[in-house]
Amino acid sequence: AQSVAQPEDQVNVAEGNPLTVKCTYSVSGNPYLFWYVQYPNRGLQFLLKYITGDNLVKGSYGFEAEFNKSQTSFHLKKPSALVSDSALYFCAVRDRNTGGFKTIFGAGTRLFVKA
Amino acid sequence: ETGVTQTPRHLVMGMTNKKSLKCEQHLGHNAMYWYKQSAKKPLELMFVYSLEERVENNSVPSRFSPECPNSSHLFLHLHTLQPEDSALYLCASSPDSSNQPQHFGDGTRLSIL
Repeated sequence: AQSVAQPEDQVNVAEGNPLTVKCTYSVSGNPYLFWYVQYPNRGLQFLLKYITGDNLVKGSYGFEAEFNKSQTSFHLKKPSALVSDSALYFCAVRDRNTGGFKTIFGAGTRLFVKA
Repeated sequence: ETGVTQTPRHLVMGMTNKKSLKCEQHLGHNAMYWYKQSAKKPLELMFVYSLEERVENNSVPSRFSPECPNSSHLFLHLHTLQPEDSALYLCASSPDSSNQPQHFGDGTRLSIL
């Protein structure tokens, strides 16, 4: 069965420091991987995706993520955090082999960036 | 402006009421989705429509009834809901390809009295 794990409910970072939000996945085939961000009272917004190619993917607002096939991980990173990055972050996976429209989401990680 | 609009934004209803949630997308996408978001739980996929045909139905209770009259509109009809149905209901759309991200509306916050 497909699953996504975000092991940290919350991540606290000081402004200007690097941040990492962790994600590991389990899928029978090869995954498409996504990160989304959700601000209060808003829907999810797409940040970046891994389809194929370079394992380091760059996305919106200075975020990037590294795909690690051997560790089945897709951690979200940013070199220097901003207070405005404080939000709820979701990792998501789709199995490219089975296709279809079913996306599995993690439970989310709340990021707090302190000034 | 997200391109996906949900109405109403907030809804309070009794367990015996009947109401409908509406979603509209202006992105030319072929697939539309309903998700349930509860606190500290993963998003739960409820229904998926592709070209107005339901392609996913994830064991959702029959008190939730989706309708997709065309590729731009999606409804979720609600009747005799339970208190545990209180949640944020999110609509999303995507192109007809599994490697493309979904675009989400801002949700309807539903409270069952």
